Amino acid sequence: GESVGLHLPTLSVQEGDNSIINCAYSNSASDYFIWYKQESGKGPQFIIDIRSNMDKRQGQRVTVLLNKTVKHLSLQIAATQPGDSAVYFCAEKLRAAGNKLTFGGGTRVLVKP
Amino acid sequence: EPEVTQTPSHQVTQMGQEVILRCVPISNHLYFYWYRQILGQKVEFLVSFYNNEISEKSEIFDDQFSVERPDGSNFTLKIRSTKLEDSAMYFCASSPDVTGELFFGEGSRLTVL
Repeated sequence: GESVGLHLPTLSVQEGDNSIINCAYSNSASDYFIWYKQESGKGPQFIIDIRSNMDKRQGQRVTVLLNKTVKHLSLQIAATQPGDSAVYFCAEKLRAAGNKLTFGGGTRVLVKP
Repeated sequence: EPEVTQTPSHQVTQMGQEVILRCVPISNHLYFYWYRQILGQKVEFLVSFYNNEISEKSEIFDDQFSVERPDGSNFTLKIRSTKLEDSAMYFCASSPDVTGELFFGEGSRLTVL
């Protein structure tokens, strides 16, 4: 079946360095992608999204890159801070099919001081 | 900032008992969702709800599950006869429209013994 998956289950990064989290998706019809951050004991928190007609979108300290050719999504976090320690999920959806999100398996980011 | 609130934060129940998880979505939102996350696994879609009826549901959402919006503010998930495998974190979410960003609550942890 269709699925969204992550390459790295855990990423350790030094404070101040940049982080890159990767995600592969298999539903080529998906046209909207979102990155969520989930801190321990909390719900997913929206970070940034990107539509399929774009290949890059920047937010505050975060950048999402979309490569539709290889069905790959990445989240770049600049100058990683201790507060960035969390599990990051990518999610995809087909907007014409409503708001059902398919989540990936998650990557844990650990920021070392 | 408006937020989705969920109660209880944690519920422990015996197998076979009925459980009701409650959610108060953001007040001007029209679309409501339940997702669940088994410990250590990815977030999974359960059901979406609009205009007082289910708009989509997953395979997980079988006859043991039901949703209801009993008044103008609450959105509930009922599990009629809980099983051990229902133990999970249940997240409520809402969105202003069918394509808009989902806002998640902090979750209700259900433990079935």
